[in-house]
Amino acid sequence: DVVMTQSPLSLPVTLGQPASMSCRSSQSLVYSDGNTYLNWFQQRPGQSPRRLIYKVSNRDSGVPDRFSGSGSGTDFTLNISRVEAEDVGVYYCMQATHWPPWTFGQGTKVEI
Amino acid sequence: EVHLVESGGGLVQPGGSLRLSCAASGFTFSNHLMNWVRQAPGKGLEWVASIKQDGTEKYYVDSVEGRFTVSRDNAKKSLYLHMNSLRAEDTAVYYCGKGIHMGVWGRGTTVTVSS
Repeated sequence: DVVMTQSPLSLPVTLGQPASMSCRSSQSLVYSDGNTYLNWFQQRPGQSPRRLIYKVSNRDSGVPDRFSGSGSGTDFTLNISRVEAEDVGVYYCMQATHWPPWTFGQGTKVEI
Repeated sequence: EVHLVESGGGLVQPGGSLRLSCAASGFTFSNHLMNWVRQAPGKGLEWVASIKQDGTEKYYVDSVEGRFTVSRDNAKKSLYLHMNSLRAEDTAVYYCGKGIHMGVWGRGTTVTVSS
């Protein structure tokens, strides 16, 4: 099974400042079709998860452009260019290349 | 608009059974693999089970294999999770998710296993 490791687990942020978090996989997430199926999810307090980014760097509809994803192979990053109060929550990466099983990282908790 | 609505959660004793449902709308349900993902209190996300579009292939996390059964009714646009021999460690919010890449999630239904 692919192990997803996120860091840091806790990320104190300042409003208006950038923030960055990392996700590493135990094996390459490049699929045989050439795509890399690495997704990022946001879970605000008391809410269900919401996908923000798919295939490493593609924003879902309605996701503010202050969120961006990057990376390749086994190393991936989610960046927030200017943190807003509504960004507080836990962010999870998930691989959908080598399934089953689908595997999630432990989550990075973003707090102000 | 795409919607997923879970139901069927509740309090059940260890060893008991429960059936969760997920009602889908706003998309062609039969075209998508569907998933169940759970979140234990204060913990992260754990994939539980998935079922392919026509229901012929099903996948489970090891910890529920043999106890849980995922099924679907494409005519009713519904996904189900039949849970037997429930344990305390199955206590969680259970979410259904759309597609291989889990693009849409429901609000979840809470399962509590306790005597």
